Amino acid sequence: DGGITQSPKYLFRKEGQNVTLSCEQNLNHDAMYWYRQDPGQGLRLIYYSQIVNDFQKGDIAEGYSVSREKKESFPLTVTSAQKNPTAFYLCASSDNWGPYQPQHFGDGTRLSIL
Amino acid sequence: KNEVEQSPQNLTAQEGEFITINCSYSVGISALHWLQQHPGGGIVSLFMLSSGKKKHGRLIATINIQEKHSSLHITASHPRDSAVYICAVWAVNQFYFGTGTSLTVIP
Repeated sequence: DGGITQSPKYLFRKEGQNVTLSCEQNLNHDAMYWYRQDPGQGLRLIYYSQIVNDFQKGDIAEGYSVSREKKESFPLTVTSAQKNPTAFYLCASSDNWGPYQPQHFGDGTRLSIL
Repeated sequence: KNEVEQSPQNLTAQEGEFITINCSYSVGISALHWLQQHPGGGIVSLFMLSSGKKKHGRLIATINIQEKHSSLHITASHPRDSAVYICAVWAVNQFYFGTGTSLTVIP
């Protein structure tokens, strides 16, 4: 079955450490997205990629980095510059970038600070 | 200020009740999506609307572009409908999400 796989499900970060969240899709989608979800807030866009080898910053990109070297993969690195990284992170993909495309979501990664 | 406001924030219903969840937005949009987030955190897309009304099983979604308002209705609610329902609008080249409505349906 096609879908999006995020790993790990739970991740713990020490102060000053970079961590990488994995996102893989086998839906042959061009567009991929990373969102952050905090309690009481709506999902917020961190980065998006419309096509392989291209990505753009979202509203809250500071302290994060991404790469899109393969169509199926869009890993997110949470750097030590992100001072409040504790959150639920969701990866999504859609056939194309745009308003009419339904997004397919992974099951999320919950990141906590040790 | 949030571009997307949902009401109510929390909703408890008896099995079989008719449920309405509301979404209002303050920006010009190209499309509006309704999403369902399960207790484990995974999200599925329910509807995409740019006008009018759509129906899928017991779920009905409507949008009024002039009033900048959308509703999600669930007929004959069931405990398996318990989830967080999220409204998302496409504006200024990205999605903006509401904070969600947490629905609990009691048997």
